[in-house]
Amino acid sequence: EPEVTQTPSHQVTQMGQEVILRCVPISNHLYFYWYRQILGQKVEFLVSFYNNEISEKSEIFDDQFSVERPDGSNFTLKIRSTKLEDSAMYFCASRPSGGTDTQYFGPGTRLTVL
Amino acid sequence: GESVGLHLPTLSVQEGDNSIINCAYSNSASDYFIWYKQESGKGPQFIIDIRSNMDKRQGQRVTVLLNKTVKHLSLQIAATQPGDSAVYFCAEKRGGGNKLTFGTGTQLKVEL
Repeated sequence: EPEVTQTPSHQVTQMGQEVILRCVPISNHLYFYWYRQILGQKVEFLVSFYNNEISEKSEIFDDQFSVERPDGSNFTLKIRSTKLEDSAMYFCASRPSGGTDTQYFGPGTRLTVL
Repeated sequence: GESVGLHLPTLSVQEGDNSIINCAYSNSASDYFIWYKQESGKGPQFIIDIRSNMDKRQGQRVTVLLNKTVKHLSLQIAATQPGDSAVYFCAEKRGGGNKLTFGTGTQLKVEL
């Protein structure tokens, strides 16, 4: 069964450094998402992406964040200058076009900012 | 305000019993609801979903009930097994929207 994959599984970085989290959505899906989950808290929406542009973003997704689909398979989340409070699990999700709202999640990347 | 919340943070059941996990939502504009299971260190795994034009949907050992009158959603797991132990999240999508808004999660513990 096709799955969303994410790399790396764990990323440790120093405060102020840039990180890029990578995702490979399910191959025939057209809508892509990033969510995050701070330890012990609920999953929070960051951004949705469709047709090579952001379709919706939350207030969390400020100018330090960006997303990109650099090729036909990858979907990335970049944080330009990480803060301590960016430490969280970051989940990528995807869904196919039309007829379903079901989003399928990847295993996540644990980001630790020191 | 708009929110999706869970009534119980932890639910303990005996193996073989049925489990019921509840969820409240406050936005009457929500048109889609979904349950996810999250095991430790893993991403949310889709269990079952339901649209607002339905009040019940069944899957394999799971049933979702939607009561729009009181804005309540529940997940029923039949014959609960040790492998069902996880955190269960409900999430909702507002009509015309794109994102999922998650509840805080319920920890299901299955006792042998």
